[in-house]
Parts: sequence; C-alpha cells; structure tokens
Amino acid sequence: EVQLVESGGNLVQPGGSLRLSCAASGFTFSTYWMSWVRQAPGKGLEWVANIKQDGSEKSYVDSVKGRFTISRDNAKNSLYLQMNSLRAEDTAVYYCARGGGRSPFDYWGQGTLVTVSS
Amino acid sequence: QSVLTQPPSVSGAPGQRVTISCTGGSSNIGAGYDVHWYQQLPGTAPKLLIFGNTNRPSGVPDRFSGSKSGTSASLAITGLQVEDEADYYCQSYDRLSGSVFGGGTKLTVL
Repeated sequence: EVQLVESGGNLVQPGGSLRLSCAASGFTFSTYWMSWVRQAPGKGLEWVANIKQDGSEKSYVDSVKGRFTISRDNAKNSLYLQMNSLRAEDTAVYYCARGGGRSPFDYWGQGTLVTVSS
Repeated sequence: QSVLTQPPSVSGAPGQRVTISCTGGSSNIGAGYDVHWYQQLPGTAPKLLIFGNTNRPSGVPDRFSGSKSGTSASLAITGLQVEDEADYYCQSYDRLSGSVFGGGTKLTVL
C-alpha cells in the first residue's frame, strides 16, 4: 500500500524557516517524480514544487522561487521542502504527492499545517 | 486567479447528472497536455479521480467520466449520490508555469 506521511509543520514567525519531510513507503520511491502541493485555509490547491526521480530537475511556482528548496533522499525514501523567509501568505496545509511534471498526482499524504504568524 | 477556470459551485439532486467545466488556454490544455481531476471530501486530502483526460484509477466508479476538447475539459458525474458532495479540482501542465490547478468547484447534492 502506498503511504506518504508528512511531518515538520509548525507555527513560525514571518521571516523564519521550516523544513518539511515526507516519508514514502509501499512503492519504489526512486522511480517517481515527487511534488509538494499546498492549500491555504479555505482556498484551493496550489502546486509548489516538484523534483525528478534522480533529483536532477527541480521546478517551483514563482511565488516561492529563491525561498523554498525541494530535495529528496532516495536511500531514505524521503522527500523534503526547506522553506526560508516565510511569509504570512505561505500559511497552508502542505501535501506531499507522488507525481508531478506532466504526470498526475496519484497519491497524496494527509498534509502538515504550516502557520506563519507573529 | 487560477490558470485553469472552473465554476465555483454546481449542484444537483440525487440521481441526476452534473458536469464541471475546466477552461484553460494555449499554453496548457490547448497545447495538448493532459487534464486530471481530483476529488477532495471535507477535511481530507485530495484523491485522484480521472487521469489522462478520460481514465479512471482502479476503484473509482464509472459514474465519473472525463472529456477534453480544445482548450477545455469536463468532468461528468451521473447518478449523483450524497457522498459525492465534495470539492473537485482540474489540473494540467502549463509550459510557462508548471503544474496548474483550477480554482475548484464545490458540488452540493440537494
């Protein structure tokens, strides 16, 4: 059974940093694109970033470029999102999802809440 | 403002058929990129409902179907059930922006 379990969400002050993790199991992690998708409270879905199987390609939505960094460790079946210079508008539930690029997001984690507030 | 445009809400009575539209442009749906649909039940993570414009993942009832034409796509739900009440999102790839979602459509079953 495919499982994606996010962790690392928390309350952080504007300008602060946070690192999200996603532990994957039930599939061969190293053979899939992986992504982060977020959902602000009461709002729709927004793709944030994705990373190719070997980490050689990474893409970001414009609003997080230069502040967020996606990475993966295939040996640990884990996906990460390093978030710096956080802003109030980054407040959202962050989902780890399998897929990305031109592929659908076929499995999703349960999400982890990031709140940016003073 | 989302790259893909969906109606904010649709409604229907149990047993009826409803459709949800998703309108894009020449850099996404119109460029030939696939459209995928997701269902998000209240308080839960999204779930893939339709992939590659018309395909259903295993376990998704055939009451759900997708289509695509030109710069638009549609999700149809027949035999509407109370448990179908949820938010629905279309998603595609945009050669300028990467992965893009529609703004979402709230389905109310009357």
